[in-house]
Amino acid sequence: DTGVSQNPRHKITKRGQNVTFRCDPISEHNRLYWYRQTLGQGPEFLTYFQNEAQLEKSRLLSDRFSAERPKGSFSTLEIQRTEQGDSAMYLCASSRGGGMDTQYFGPGTRLTVL
Amino acid sequence: DQQVKQNSPSLSVQEGRISILNCDYTNSMFDYFLWYKKYPAEGPTFLISISSIKDKNEDGRFTVFLNKSAKHLSLHIVPSQPGDSAVYFCAATPMNTDKLIFGTGTRLQVFP
Repeated sequence: DTGVSQNPRHKITKRGQNVTFRCDPISEHNRLYWYRQTLGQGPEFLTYFQNEAQLEKSRLLSDRFSAERPKGSFSTLEIQRTEQGDSAMYLCASSRGGGMDTQYFGPGTRLTVL
Repeated sequence: DQQVKQNSPSLSVQEGRISILNCDYTNSMFDYFLWYKKYPAEGPTFLISISSIKDKNEDGRFTVFLNKSAKHLSLHIVPSQPGDSAVYFCAATPMNTDKLIFGTGTRLQVFP
């Protein structure tokens, strides 16, 4: 039984470049979530999917950010024209359903924008 | 605005003693509360949860207490073990959404 996996684990990029992260949820989990965590803070919600449908997006998700889950399995999070303020840990989680179903987190992708 | 607050950034407890981690919230629309534990370079790991219709939930060494009138949540770990040393996050879910809103975390250190 594998958990949530995220790739890459680390990404260093220059300001202005585009980056894409991938998340593979636990098999048969219908819900997939993206969070962002900066130093000294707790994870902040970005967006989540029910299968391939994006159900909610945070105000934090500016138009430079886009997330997809095309076949209801893995998801990608793309950041265009990265800024230094985008440097953070990007966490993905999945759950079987909504409500009180537990969200299980992956190890995260650490993004550093130079 | 910080809807979920963990006012103690760190806590140090001797092995075998009780660890009490506290959390306060401001949004009365929260209906589900959770505690996650996080080790360095790993994602948060679910520990224990409680619905707003309950005031206590217990799982082994971990007990969560909810005081709705005070909008206060606490996690008790007894007895504390060195392996419990980690950052603990309190989280809450508002009604009609499944997103988690996290506090800023409390770093627990359990020493021998």
